[in-house]
Amino acid sequence: AQKITQTQPGMFVQEKEAVTLDCTYDTSDPSYGLFWYKQPSSGEMIFLIYQGSYDQQNATEGRYSLNFQKARKSANLVISASQLGDSAMYFCAMRVISNFGNEKLTFGTGTRLTIIP
Amino acid sequence: DAMVIQNPRYQVTQFGKPVTLSCSQTLNHNVMYWYQQKSSQAPKLLFHYYDKDFNNEADTPDNFQSRRPNTSFCFLDIRSPGLGDAAMYLCATTGTARDGYTFGSGTRLTVV
Repeated sequence: AQKITQTQPGMFVQEKEAVTLDCTYDTSDPSYGLFWYKQPSSGEMIFLIYQGSYDQQNATEGRYSLNFQKARKSANLVISASQLGDSAMYFCAMRVISNFGNEKLTFGTGTRLTIIP
Repeated sequence: DAMVIQNPRYQVTQFGKPVTLSCSQTLNHNVMYWYQQKSSQAPKLLFHYYDKDFNNEADTPDNFQSRRPNTSFCFLDIRSPGLGDAAMYLCATTGTARDGYTFGSGTRLTVV
Protein backbone atom coordinates (compact mmCIF):
# COMPACT_ATOMS: atom_id res chain seq x y z
CA ALA A 1 0.00 0.00 0.00
CA GLN A 2 1.12 3.53 -0.71
CA LYS A 3 0.94 5.74 2.33
CA ILE A 4 2.22 9.03 3.71
CA THR A 5 2.59 9.53 7.48
CA GLN A 6 3.04 12.80 9.34
CA THR A 7 3.31 12.19 13.06
CA GLN A 8 3.35 15.80 14.30
CA PRO A 9 -0.19 17.22 14.46
CA GLY A 10 1.11 20.58 15.65
CA MET A 11 4.34 22.41 16.33
CA PHE A 12 5.23 25.70 17.99
CA VAL A 13 8.53 27.30 17.02
CA GLN A 14 10.20 30.55 17.99
CA GLU A 15 10.62 33.05 15.19
CA LYS A 16 14.02 32.87 13.42
CA GLU A 17 14.64 29.31 14.55
CA ALA A 18 14.90 26.42 12.11
CA VAL A 19 12.13 23.84 12.10
CA THR A 20 11.92 20.28 10.82
CA LEU A 21 8.61 18.74 9.82
CA ASP A 22 8.61 14.95 9.65
CA CYS A 23 7.28 12.81 6.84
CA THR A 24 7.63 9.09 6.21
CA TYR A 25 6.24 7.20 3.28
CA ASP A 26 5.62 3.69 2.11
CA THR A 27 5.55 2.53 -1.49
CA SER A 28 6.69 -0.46 -3.50
CA ASP A 29 6.99 1.60 -6.66
CA PRO A 30 10.69 2.29 -7.43
CA SER A 31 9.77 5.56 -9.14
CA TYR A 32 7.93 8.11 -7.05
CA GLY A 33 7.90 11.78 -6.19
CA LEU A 34 7.55 13.55 -2.89
CA PHE A 35 6.10 17.03 -2.40
CA TRP A 36 5.57 19.50 0.37
CA TYR A 37 2.71 21.97 0.32
CA LYS A 38 1.83 24.89 2.55
CA GLN A 39 -1.79 25.68 3.25
CA PRO A 40 -2.48 28.99 5.02
CA SER A 41 -5.83 29.72 6.63
CA SER A 42 -7.08 31.08 3.30
CA GLY A 43 -7.15 27.49 2.06
CA GLU A 44 -5.04 27.52 -1.07
CA MET A 45 -2.34 24.90 -1.52
CA ILE A 46 1.07 26.40 -2.16
CA PHE A 47 3.74 24.16 -3.69
CA LEU A 48 7.03 24.38 -1.79
CA ILE A 49 9.45 21.70 -2.89
CA TYR A 50 9.79 18.44 -4.82
CA GLN A 51 12.08 15.42 -4.50
CA GLY A 52 12.24 12.63 -7.07
CA SER A 53 13.10 9.12 -5.96
CA TYR A 54 16.12 9.00 -8.26
CA ASP A 55 17.44 12.43 -7.38
CA GLN A 56 20.98 12.18 -6.04
CA GLN A 57 20.88 15.41 -4.08
CA ASN A 58 18.43 16.76 -1.57
CA ALA A 59 16.12 19.39 -2.99
CA THR A 60 16.40 23.01 -1.87
CA GLU A 61 14.23 26.04 -2.61
CA GLY A 62 15.23 29.20 -0.80
CA ARG A 63 14.60 28.70 2.91
CA TYR A 64 13.13 25.26 2.28
CA SER A 65 15.15 22.09 2.03
CA LEU A 66 14.15 18.47 1.95
CA ASN A 67 16.09 15.95 4.00
CA PHE A 68 15.58 12.86 1.84
CA GLN A 69 16.65 9.57 3.39
CA LYS A 70 15.61 6.93 0.91
CA ALA A 71 16.62 3.86 2.94
CA ARG A 72 14.58 5.11 5.88
CA LYS A 73 11.74 6.24 3.60
CA SER A 74 11.67 9.69 5.08
CA ALA A 75 11.37 13.11 3.46
CA ASN A 76 11.49 15.74 6.17
CA LEU A 77 11.00 19.41 5.37
CA VAL A 78 13.45 21.86 6.93
CA ILE A 79 12.56 25.54 7.11
CA SER A 80 15.47 27.75 8.02
CA ALA A 81 15.10 31.09 9.83
CA SER A 82 11.37 30.75 10.37
CA GLN A 83 9.12 33.79 9.91
CA LEU A 84 5.68 34.68 11.24
CA GLY A 85 4.30 34.16 7.74
CA ASP A 86 5.34 30.52 7.89
CA SER A 87 2.47 29.79 10.27
CA ALA A 88 0.24 27.43 8.31
CA MET A 89 -0.69 23.81 7.74
CA TYR A 90 2.00 21.78 5.98
CA PHE A 91 1.26 18.67 3.97
CA CYS A 92 3.64 16.04 2.73
CA ALA A 93 2.40 14.29 -0.40
CA MET A 94 3.48 11.48 -2.68
CA ARG A 95 2.84 10.97 -6.35
CA VAL A 96 1.51 7.48 -6.84
CA ILE A 97 0.24 5.56 -9.82
CA SER A 98 -3.51 5.01 -9.71
CA ASN A 99 -5.34 1.83 -10.64
CA PHE A 100 -6.02 3.45 -14.00
CA GLY A 101 -2.31 3.82 -14.70
CA ASN A 102 -2.40 7.57 -14.23
CA GLU A 103 -0.59 9.44 -11.55
CA LYS A 104 -2.24 11.11 -8.59
CA LEU A 105 -1.20 12.83 -5.41
CA THR A 106 -1.89 11.33 -2.00
CA PHE A 107 -1.48 13.43 1.15
CA GLY A 108 -0.40 12.95 4.73
CA THR A 109 -2.58 14.26 7.55
CA GLY A 110 -0.58 17.46 7.87
CA THR A 111 1.29 19.41 10.56
CA ARG A 112 0.02 22.73 11.84
CA LEU A 113 3.02 25.00 12.35
CA THR A 114 2.74 28.08 14.55
CA ILE A 115 5.59 30.58 14.67
CA ILE A 116 5.84 32.45 17.95
CA PRO A 117 7.14 36.05 17.92
CA ASP B 1 -1.41 35.52 -13.16
CA ALA B 2 -3.59 32.86 -11.55
CA MET B 3 -3.12 29.63 -13.48
CA VAL B 4 -5.87 27.57 -11.88
CA ILE B 5 -9.01 29.54 -11.13
CA GLN B 6 -11.89 28.28 -9.06
CA ASN B 7 -15.26 29.93 -8.85
CA PRO B 8 -16.90 30.81 -6.65
CA ARG B 9 -14.54 31.25 -3.72
CA TYR B 10 -17.38 30.65 -1.27
CA GLN B 11 -20.62 28.83 -2.02
CA VAL B 12 -23.62 28.39 0.22
CA THR B 13 -26.23 25.88 -0.90
CA GLN B 14 -29.35 24.39 0.58
CA PHE B 15 -29.57 20.80 1.69
CA GLY B 16 -30.52 18.72 -1.33
CA LYS B 17 -30.20 21.53 -3.87
CA PRO B 18 -27.83 20.73 -6.75
CA VAL B 19 -24.70 22.83 -6.90
CA THR B 20 -21.90 23.19 -9.44
CA LEU B 21 -18.36 24.30 -8.75
CA SER B 22 -16.10 25.36 -11.59
CA CYS B 23 -12.40 25.24 -12.31
CA SER B 24 -10.41 26.62 -15.21
CA GLN B 25 -6.73 26.43 -16.03
CA THR B 26 -4.48 28.41 -18.34
CA LEU B 27 -1.64 25.88 -18.28
CA ASN B 28 -3.02 23.62 -21.00
CA HIS B 29 -2.35 20.57 -18.85
CA ASN B 30 -3.90 17.23 -19.73
CA VAL B 31 -4.69 16.18 -16.20
CA MET B 32 -7.15 17.83 -13.84
CA TYR B 33 -8.06 16.70 -10.35
CA TRP B 34 -10.83 17.39 -7.86
CA TYR B 35 -10.06 17.03 -4.17
CA GLN B 36 -12.37 17.31 -1.17
CA GLN B 37 -10.88 18.62 2.06
CA LYS B 38 -12.95 18.57 5.22
CA SER B 39 -12.01 20.66 8.21
CA SER B 40 -8.63 19.71 9.73
CA GLN B 41 -8.21 16.79 7.34
CA ALA B 42 -5.98 15.98 4.40
CA PRO B 43 -7.29 16.54 0.89
CA LYS B 44 -8.97 13.46 -0.52
CA LEU B 45 -9.06 12.76 -4.23
CA LEU B 46 -12.57 12.46 -5.66
CA PHE B 47 -11.73 11.93 -9.35
CA HIS B 48 -9.44 13.06 -12.09
CA TYR B 49 -9.39 13.48 -15.83
CA TYR B 50 -6.60 12.48 -18.14
CA ASP B 51 -7.62 14.40 -21.24
CA LYS B 52 -11.25 13.34 -21.58
CA ASP B 53 -10.79 10.06 -19.74
CA PHE B 54 -12.66 10.21 -16.47
CA ASN B 55 -11.25 8.29 -13.49
CA ASN B 56 -13.44 7.93 -10.44
CA GLU B 57 -11.97 6.96 -7.07
CA ALA B 58 -13.57 3.80 -5.72
CA ASP B 59 -14.95 5.48 -2.61
CA THR B 60 -16.31 8.63 -4.25
CA PRO B 61 -20.07 8.79 -3.65
CA ASP B 62 -22.39 8.70 -6.65
CA ASN B 63 -23.69 12.07 -5.49
CA PHE B 64 -20.56 13.61 -6.99
CA GLN B 65 -20.22 13.97 -10.74
CA SER B 66 -17.82 15.81 -12.98
CA ARG B 67 -17.69 17.24 -16.49
CA ARG B 68 -14.79 18.38 -18.59
CA PRO B 69 -16.07 20.04 -21.77
CA ASN B 70 -12.58 21.08 -22.93
CA THR B 71 -8.96 21.17 -21.78
CA SER B 72 -9.40 24.41 -19.87
CA PHE B 73 -12.54 23.80 -17.86
CA CYS B 74 -13.70 21.20 -15.37
CA PHE B 75 -16.87 21.17 -13.27
CA LEU B 76 -17.84 19.41 -10.07
CA ASP B 77 -21.54 18.70 -9.69
CA ILE B 78 -23.04 17.69 -6.38
CA ARG B 79 -26.48 16.37 -7.17
CA SER B 80 -28.01 16.42 -3.68
CA PRO B 81 -25.69 18.05 -1.16
CA GLY B 82 -25.85 16.80 2.39
CA LEU B 83 -24.49 18.41 5.53
CA GLY B 84 -21.53 16.04 5.33
CA ASP B 85 -20.52 17.50 1.99
CA ALA B 86 -19.55 20.81 3.52
CA ALA B 87 -15.86 21.14 2.77
CA MET B 88 -13.20 22.91 0.79
CA TYR B 89 -13.08 21.67 -2.80
CA LEU B 90 -9.74 21.98 -4.51
CA CYS B 91 -9.02 21.71 -8.21
CA ALA B 92 -5.50 20.95 -9.43
CA THR B 93 -3.53 20.29 -12.58
CA THR B 94 -0.09 18.85 -13.20
CA GLY B 95 2.53 19.24 -15.86
CA THR B 96 6.02 17.97 -15.17
CA ALA B 97 6.68 16.48 -11.76
CA ARG B 98 9.14 19.20 -10.80
CA ASP B 99 6.56 21.88 -11.45
CA GLY B 100 4.41 20.34 -8.80
CA TYR B 101 0.68 20.06 -8.88
CA THR B 102 -0.84 23.52 -9.24
CA PHE B 103 -3.91 24.07 -7.10
CA GLY B 104 -6.62 26.66 -7.35
CA SER B 105 -7.63 28.76 -4.37
CA GLY B 106 -10.46 26.37 -3.62
CA THR B 107 -14.20 26.73 -3.15
CA ARG B 108 -15.45 26.54 0.40
CA LEU B 109 -18.87 24.93 0.33
CA THR B 110 -21.39 25.42 3.11
CA VAL B 111 -24.61 23.38 3.20
CA VAL B 112 -27.52 24.86 5.14
